[in-house]
Amino acid sequence: AQKVTQAQTEISVVEKEDVTLDCVYETRDTTYYLFWYKQPPSGELVFLIRRNSFDEQNEISGRYSWNFQKSTSSFNFTITASQVVDSAVYFCALSEGGSGGYNKLIFGAGTRLAVHP
Amino acid sequence: DAGITQSPRHKVTETGTPVTLRCHQTENHRYMYWYRQDPGHGLRLIHYSYGVKDTDKGEVSDGYSVSRSKTEDFLLTLESATSSQTSVYFCAISGTGEISPLHFGNGTRLTVT
Repeated sequence: AQKVTQAQTEISVVEKEDVTLDCVYETRDTTYYLFWYKQPPSGELVFLIRRNSFDEQNEISGRYSWNFQKSTSSFNFTITASQVVDSAVYFCALSEGGSGGYNKLIFGAGTRLAVHP
Repeated sequence: DAGITQSPRHKVTETGTPVTLRCHQTENHRYMYWYRQDPGHGLRLIHYSYGVKDTDKGEVSDGYSVSRSKTEDFLLTLESATSSQTSVYFCAISGTGEISPLHFGNGTRLTVT
């Protein structure tokens, strides 16, 4: 069965610290997609990144970076020099895929990040 | 922002009453989804639609039904609400092509008393 595990329930850091959010997934598919979403206190869900299973290059977007390692089935998310605005719940998700083109995402339980001034 | 509107945004209802939540999109996307969010569970798929009148069950579909009579509207119905259905409900849409990211509405907070 497909599964996403975010073992860190809550993380608390002080502004400017670096923080890594862990995501471990399980799937039997050879082709799959991984996603990260952000849910700020206002409650909306914001798409951050999509990565397919054939692309193991790390990705950097400003202060955000993602480390995808198939060997350990992990897709970790690092925020460099955290800011108060980064305070949110972050979800990792795995696409169950489907030949029909739909995207049935399986979400982890989320990690709540609190960045304190 | 993706044009997704959920209504109502908040609802309180009593056990045993029927409830319908509406999702309206202006993006003309083919795929629509209903998720529920509960503490400790992340988001779980209730039902999804891959076209007008084409729907299928997700992980937690018991007690829910859906309908999609137009591309832009996807309705979620709780036939007889129970307290276990107290949750935040999110509608999402995605386009065609390579597995597209889901874009979510702002959610409906439902409380069943």
